[in-house]
Amino acid sequence: NAGVTQTPKFQVLKTGQSMTLQCAQDMNHNSMYWYRQDPGMGLRLIYYSASEGTTDKGEVPNGYNVSRLNKREFSLRLESAAPSQTSVYFCASSKTRATGELFFGEGSRLTVL
Amino acid sequence: EDKVVQSPLSLVVHEGDTVTLNCSYEVTNFRSLLWYKQEKKAPTFLFMLTSSGIEKKSGRLSSILDKKELFSILNITATQTGDSAVYLCAVENSTSGTYKYIFGTGTRLKVLA
Repeated sequence: NAGVTQTPKFQVLKTGQSMTLQCAQDMNHNSMYWYRQDPGMGLRLIYYSASEGTTDKGEVPNGYNVSRLNKREFSLRLESAAPSQTSVYFCASSKTRATGELFFGEGSRLTVL
Repeated sequence: EDKVVQSPLSLVVHEGDTVTLNCSYEVTNFRSLLWYKQEKKAPTFLFMLTSSGIEKKSGRLSSILDKKELFSILNITATQTGDSAVYLCAVENSTSGTYKYIFGTGTRLKVLA
């Protein structure tokens, strides 16, 4: 019962470096999401993908790109990391609106020096 | 701009107390409101509310939605130390067939033995 799997769990980057956060779900869900969580800010939506082949911006998309590689995988890329992108990143998925339940990965803690 | 506001920001109670957490929202194309519990890592789903006045209940937790006044409350009776967590409220916004979830900043609850 893997659910939503994110890698890596921890990463330290230097300013200007690039990296990709990987996310995969094995629940045959249509929709996938990337959130960031900062102290006192709650969860903020970066990008989401309502279905395979589509992606849309969320509240804080600047500095990020995403790829919905297939139904299972949704990756988040930082092309040129900045200290402001230090955060905990969560990937989530949902099947349909009927249940409204988001299933979250365990999170990826990213530090940009 | 869509907005979800939770109060209080933090709360400390003793075991056995009853607590009420609040969530108010201003969201276009409201579809549903969800409550999550976040302990160490990923948020876990508690309730989804779509209709006003219908209480959802799970053990000592219950929640209700008021779509006229645009708020929801989450009640926890006979609190236990295991209830210590951050409680997140999220509202679903549906536009043009796609949907996304906007989260509040959360209420941090600490239950003392």
